Amino acid sequence: ETGVTQTPRHLVMGMTNKKSLKCEQHLGHNAMYWYKQSAKKPLELMFVYNFKEQTENNSVPSRFSPECPNSSHLFLHLHTLQPEDSALYLCASSQDHGSGNTIYFGEGSWLTVV
Amino acid sequence: QKEVEQDPGPLSVPEGAIVSLNCTYSNSAFQYFMWYRQYSRKGPELLMYTYSSGNKEDGRFTAQVDKSSKYISLFIRDSQPSDSATYLCAMKDSSYKLIFGSGTRLLVRP
Repeated sequence: ETGVTQTPRHLVMGMTNKKSLKCEQHLGHNAMYWYKQSAKKPLELMFVYNFKEQTENNSVPSRFSPECPNSSHLFLHLHTLQPEDSALYLCASSQDHGSGNTIYFGEGSWLTVV
Repeated sequence: QKEVEQDPGPLSVPEGAIVSLNCTYSNSAFQYFMWYRQYSRKGPELLMYTYSSGNKEDGRFTAQVDKSSKYISLFIRDSQPSDSATYLCAMKDSSYKLIFGSGTRLLVRP
């Protein structure tokens, strides 16, 4: 148990569907992140929220839409995805967005786009 | 050139062996260095965290940072089959952005 919980763990969706990934952290952290992990590629940072404010959008296509209603919850809304978006999506949190803070990951949501 | 280079492996060793995992990097401003372990179909788990140069030991794991060579290592002593996983190095400068290597897959054979 990492203190960062992601649901669903597995998701299969068609290219015309709309779905959402959910993340909840129980660590009292103030920064939350979405990462994408594709086969044989380094983890890619997608979005960063610090004290509920988005501080980073790493040139992510608009078909991915994040939402952070409070410091404990983070969503990733998905619509009209492409097959190449199939990947492991990891949520993470840290104390805040400072340089020395370590990042703790959830178990990930496996997304398959068909 | 990638900012962080890591041999993807797989690295296969017999149980009890000493394992050496390495990363090289190009950004001399990196100050914080981490190793994560990721089991199949799980999220990465923080193993070691080091600030600046030097060694850090935690049980069977030792992390080394050589900033002059831009080289970091993770040593695993008395390796066990349960150590079989992908090991990710990660590092950052004074900003928040964490840069990951692509991971080395380790297999420890019983």
